[in-house]
Amino acid sequence: DAKTTQPNSMESNEEEPVHLPCNHSTISGTDYIHWYRQLPSQGPEYVIHGLTSNVNNRMASLAIAEDRKSSTLILHRATLRDAAVYYCILRQAGGTSYGKLTFGQGTILTVHP
Amino acid sequence: DGGITQSPKYLFRKEGQNVTLSCEQNLNHDAMYWYRQDPGQGLRLIYYSQIVNDFQKGDIAEGYSVSREKKESFPLTVTSAQKNPTAFYLCASSTRDRGLNYGYTFGSGTRLTVV
Repeated sequence: DAKTTQPNSMESNEEEPVHLPCNHSTISGTDYIHWYRQLPSQGPEYVIHGLTSNVNNRMASLAIAEDRKSSTLILHRATLRDAAVYYCILRQAGGTSYGKLTFGQGTILTVHP
Repeated sequence: DGGITQSPKYLFRKEGQNVTLSCEQNLNHDAMYWYRQDPGQGLRLIYYSQIVNDFQKGDIAEGYSVSREKKESFPLTVTSAQKNPTAFYLCASSTRDRGLNYGYTFGSGTRLTVV
């Protein structure tokens, strides 16, 4: 299975932008890049996903490198409610692993008031 | 509102007992998944099902069993063969769209403690 690498933790101040990096050098051409976040004692929440082009939604933006070996989740103005564990995941589009999400350790985001 | 319901939220089990965790969804999703999460760790896949009456083992299926008799339901049984069952269990569902243009929807989890 293709793997992702994320920093263990990051910190930000409230109202500032946050850029959460993810490396996925072994990504295959059909793998989608998904981001989820998880608050303590809750199930993960879908944030955003993309394949090749940059994506924007109401929660965040996803910037994907041209070679697709890395991506960055962008929170434009961090709030205290954005403090969570953020997971970058490759959703596999082929073979017996079709549709599966394989979670790594994620990045713990701390937001300071 | 559509979503996934996991019950119970907290569950205590004596060693040597089997226990079944419930997962129901009304999203009309074809695929359903069970994950396990240990403190400070990411999620690990136990079992998944892409259609009714069919399921596959995930990465840590030993000591667990599932059934998928209805599209809406995917119960997980933690058997006495599971050596370390205390964990947070999460159920998820998704469409089986070949374009994978949808994310997973997760339930709120069941915290199982063996006493």
